Amino acid sequence: AQSVAQPEDQVNVAEGNPLTVKCTYSVSGNPYLFWYVQYPNRGLQFLLKYITGDNLVKGSYGFEAEFNKSQTSFHLKKPSALVSDSALYFCAVRDGAGVQGGKLIFGQGTELSVKP
Amino acid sequence: GAGVSQSPSNKVTEKGKDVELRCDPISGHTALYWYRQRLGQGLEFLIYFQGNSAPDKSGLPSDRFSAERTGESVSTLTIQRTQQEDSAVYLCASSVQREVNEQFFGPGTRLTVL
Repeated sequence: AQSVAQPEDQVNVAEGNPLTVKCTYSVSGNPYLFWYVQYPNRGLQFLLKYITGDNLVKGSYGFEAEFNKSQTSFHLKKPSALVSDSALYFCAVRDGAGVQGGKLIFGQGTELSVKP
Repeated sequence: GAGVSQSPSNKVTEKGKDVELRCDPISGHTALYWYRQRLGQGLEFLIYFQGNSAPDKSGLPSDRFSAERTGESVSTLTIQRTQQEDSAVYLCASSVQREVNEQFFGPGTRLTVL
């Protein structure tokens, strides 16, 4: 069965410093990986996805993620954190064979707090 | 353009009552998903509609939960005889059914069962 793990419940970063939110995955077959962000009292917003190709994926709001097959990881990164980046971040893997459709299996989420 | 919309935004009900939650997907999105998010937890998959195919109901937690979708538009999630453990935010998402596309989420319905 497909699964993802986010080992940190919370990450604290000072504004201007680089940030990393960790995610590891377990899949059979090719991994299709996603990052979403959830601001308070709002739905999830898509940040980026990895399907195939370049291991470094660039997404919205200056975020990027690095796919590492040997370590089965897909960590979310940003070179310089902003206070407005403070939110709940979810890593997800798409379940199901084939290239179309499929539900997402989510990690438990990581609360990112960026302090001025 | 318009995103995924859900109604109501908040629902408070008494234990044992039935509730109906509504989702309007993005126009043209043939895939529609329901997820549940309990307080402080990640999202749990409930059900998935894909065009005219039979829905994937593998995530429904009990036979008190059911969902319908009219063609490629509105979906309703029904919870019968609600229990306190049903209290959660219910999120709907839709996506285009080609390649590996991201899902677009609605704002959710916060359900509280007293």
